[in-house]
Amino acid sequence: AQTVTQSQPEMSVQEAETVTLSCTYDTSENNYYLFWYKQPPSRQMILVIRQEAYKQQNATENRFSVNFQKAAKSFSLKISDSQLGDTAMYFCAFMKRGYNNNDMRFGAGTRLTVKP
Amino acid sequence: DSGVTQTPKHLITATGQRVTLRCSPRSGDLSVYWYQQSLDQGLQFLIQYYNGEERAKGNILERFSAQQFPDLHSELNLSSLELGDSALYFCASSFTGTSGTGELFFGEGSRLTVL
Repeated sequence: AQTVTQSQPEMSVQEAETVTLSCTYDTSENNYYLFWYKQPPSRQMILVIRQEAYKQQNATENRFSVNFQKAAKSFSLKISDSQLGDTAMYFCAFMKRGYNNNDMRFGAGTRLTVKP
Repeated sequence: DSGVTQTPKHLITATGQRVTLRCSPRSGDLSVYWYQQSLDQGLQFLIQYYNGEERAKGNILERFSAQQFPDLHSELNLSSLELGDSALYFCASSFTGTSGTGELFFGEGSRLTVL
């Protein structure tokens, strides 16, 4: 079974600074996706960024980028130029590619607070 | 707007009762997933359906059941409710397959309060 671990329950960062959220996962699969979802106080789940395991290049989306280390099974999220609106819970998630048993598994989350 | 619709948004009921949560996936998505999120917790996977068939099962209690109908909407039935069932229940959908992006699109959730 796949497991996702986020070892930082809470983090804070000053506005305009950079912060990195950690995520590790355990799987025997070779073909999978990794995701970071954001859950603001509204509780809506919003996709921040996704990475396909076969791609060596790290994904980037504007101020958000990842450091994907497949061998180490590590998938960290870097937020640059943090903004107050980035305050939220951030969940790392894993999904196996394919048709069967490819449910998405989430980590416990990291609560990020951006301070003015 | 993710395109996934969940009803009701809020529901308050008593212990021992039964409720049904409804989900309409995004147009074109064949897979529906149900997740439970208790207060300040992560998302716990309950069950997945693909084109009407159950495809994966997580830690879903025997008191809970789900199904996906021919029009692809899904219902999650929760019975003999207990206080601990109070949570936010998410439905998510995706186009499942090797050509898909893998991304799940989430509804806004149904908040269940059991008193």
